[in-house]
Amino acid sequence: DAMVIQNPRYQVTQFGKPVTLSCSQTLNHNVMYWYQQKSSQAPKLLFHYYDKDFNNEADTPDNFQSRRPNTSFCFLDIRSPGLGDAAMYLCATSPLEGGWETQYFGPGTRLLVL
Amino acid sequence: AQKITQTQPGMFVQEKEAVTLDCTYDTSDQSYGLFWYKQPSSGEMIFLIYQGSYDEQNATEGRYSLNFQKARKSANLVISASQLGDSAMYFCAMREGRGSARQLTFGSGTQLTVLP
Repeated sequence: DAMVIQNPRYQVTQFGKPVTLSCSQTLNHNVMYWYQQKSSQAPKLLFHYYDKDFNNEADTPDNFQSRRPNTSFCFLDIRSPGLGDAAMYLCATSPLEGGWETQYFGPGTRLLVL
Repeated sequence: AQKITQTQPGMFVQEKEAVTLDCTYDTSDQSYGLFWYKQPSSGEMIFLIYQGSYDEQNATEGRYSLNFQKARKSANLVISASQLGDSAMYFCAMREGRGSARQLTFGSGTQLTVLP
């Protein structure tokens, strides 16, 4: 089945130690998104890629970076994780057509910062 | 101003009964889409139902229906015949503009608990 895959499902890192979360998709969608979701809150968009075009949200900290080497893969890099970066990180995709397709979400990666 | 407002932080419903989760939205666009997602404790965001601003009929998907009242800017989710597996967080979301990579704007969510 076509899907959005995130690895790992749980990630533990140390304060200040760089960490990379990965997302892959078999849907061949043009757009990929990264969201941060803290406990009991709504997902917050960090950035998205429209094909290779990177779009950063204005309030996304510089500590968060992203790479999309090809259509299928997208990475979230946290350069120096702080305790406040502990959250669920959701990857999503959507096609870019004239309609109103939903975003398809992966299962998320829970990040714990020690 | 909040674009999506969900006024019920938590809701309880008895198994097999129907429940309505409220959602109001704010936009000046004529063209927009409204979505409901379910997020179980495992964390995955599951798409449930979609309503387009130009759709005259209320959307339905199995036990889910969307009560769309455009003039009141509300898009309530109705779950009929609740099941224990429906216990989860439910998010209402909106996407504005057509044919673009525009983001979803989420409400704060409603935690639904189905009681046996």
